[in-house]
Amino acid sequence: GAVVSQHPSRVICKSGTSVKIECRSLDFQATTMFWYRQFPKQSLMLMATSNEGSKATYEQGVEKDKFLINHASLTLSTLTVTSAHPEDSSFYICSARDLKENHGYTFGSGTRLTVV
Amino acid sequence: GENVEQHPSTLSVQEGDSAVIKCTYSDSASNYFPWYKQELGKRPQLIIDIRSNVGEKKDQRIAVTLNKTAKHFSLHITETQPEDSAVYFCAASRGSYIPTFGRGTSLIVHP
Repeated sequence: GAVVSQHPSRVICKSGTSVKIECRSLDFQATTMFWYRQFPKQSLMLMATSNEGSKATYEQGVEKDKFLINHASLTLSTLTVTSAHPEDSSFYICSARDLKENHGYTFGSGTRLTVV
Repeated sequence: GENVEQHPSTLSVQEGDSAVIKCTYSDSASNYFPWYKQELGKRPQLIIDIRSNVGEKKDQRIAVTLNKTAKHFSLHITETQPEDSAVYFCAASRGSYIPTFGRGTSLIVHP
């Protein structure tokens, strides 16, 4: 089945620095990838839709200048948390769908971001 | 847009019992309903899905039922085991649109 790889799995950074998270579709091409944020014991909150070769579409309330998304190829999307603050600490997870397969979205392994 | 409600938020059962999680959706055009299992700190994993052209689907101890008229669908787990303990999310989507997720159900199976 479709495999989505996400890196890093954990990152600790200082306030004010930026962190880049990568999401790769390993065995399929994904023109669209999705970025979610998940707080402890809560559901997946869609942050943005990453579109290959064009601008990302952000959900209401998500700061596009804070969460920079780049989808430069058919297999890679990146999320950069800029000028990170402790309140940005969360579990970030991406997903994509192999359109050749007739089932649901596959998730990356997630990134636990801690800003100190 | 689509709105998915999921109940209960927490479900505690004894090993061997059955567990049922229910979801309702609002968009009558939704036609794809996946269920995901998420263990602590890990990614959600698709465990079963159903499309609007069938009413029930079963895979070993897991089954999903869909009532299009009432716009609700349910996950049934029989003979629960401690390793079934996790958070389960339902979702609904239309075609290739991004699915809308329910709020999740934390299932606890006591040995």
